[in-house]
Amino acid sequence: IQLTQSPSFLSASVGDRVTITCRASQGISSYLAWYQQKPGKAPKLLIYAASTLQSGVPSRFSGSGSGTEFTLTISSLQPEDFATYYCQQLNSYPFTFGPGTKVDIK
Amino acid sequence: QMQLVQSGPEVKKPGTSVKVSCKASGFTFTSSAMQWVRQARGQRLEWIGWIVVGSGNTNYAQKFQERVTITRDMSTSTAYMELSSLRSEDTAVYYCAADIMVPYYMDVWGKGTTVTVSS
Repeated sequence: IQLTQSPSFLSASVGDRVTITCRASQGISSYLAWYQQKPGKAPKLLIYAASTLQSGVPSRFSGSGSGTEFTLTISSLQPEDFATYYCQQLNSYPFTFGPGTKVDIK
Repeated sequence: QMQLVQSGPEVKKPGTSVKVSCKASGFTFTSSAMQWVRQARGQRLEWIGWIVVGSGNTNYAQKFQERVTITRDMSTSTAYMELSSLRSEDTAVYYCAADIMVPYYMDVWGKGTTVTVSS
């Protein structure tokens, strides 16, 4: 299963609402995770099962979608949110990742 | 405190093998699955494979099928990823990750092990 993400790069300001889309080449039900990765660090799980917020993750992050189209939304971008975001499907092997969306400061 | 501690950086010659370890603590190792992911500099995350610790069942990405072996030692709560026939394209940071709270979803990650393949 191939995953695509759009946009691949996003320039935004603190306080902006940001939406990232992940599309799967075939249906994956809700077996999708979103990760945040900062330079030189391991990924951090934000959302699992497409829309469930991981414990400890701020409520400004939300996920939605099922089947082949998914979105990650950050309702009000904070300085610590500038990072690269990846989706991963866990519907079938191999558990592929999307190419990533880098969120940068405008 | 739940954590995964990975082994240190490795420098290997082409054609040789590398074995990276990942020691778990603070959670029930035998109830978890351990995923291995790698990331070349500036590239996307790439899934290598995983092991269901309790059963020992593994699954590998086809790309690595012939060269990778993931194992675990329950007596020391340690998972291992061995990659053979190394080539320069295998130069990357290798991460282990575990599903602690929700099956399949990796919520605890190691800090990564840098593997450099160079002649």
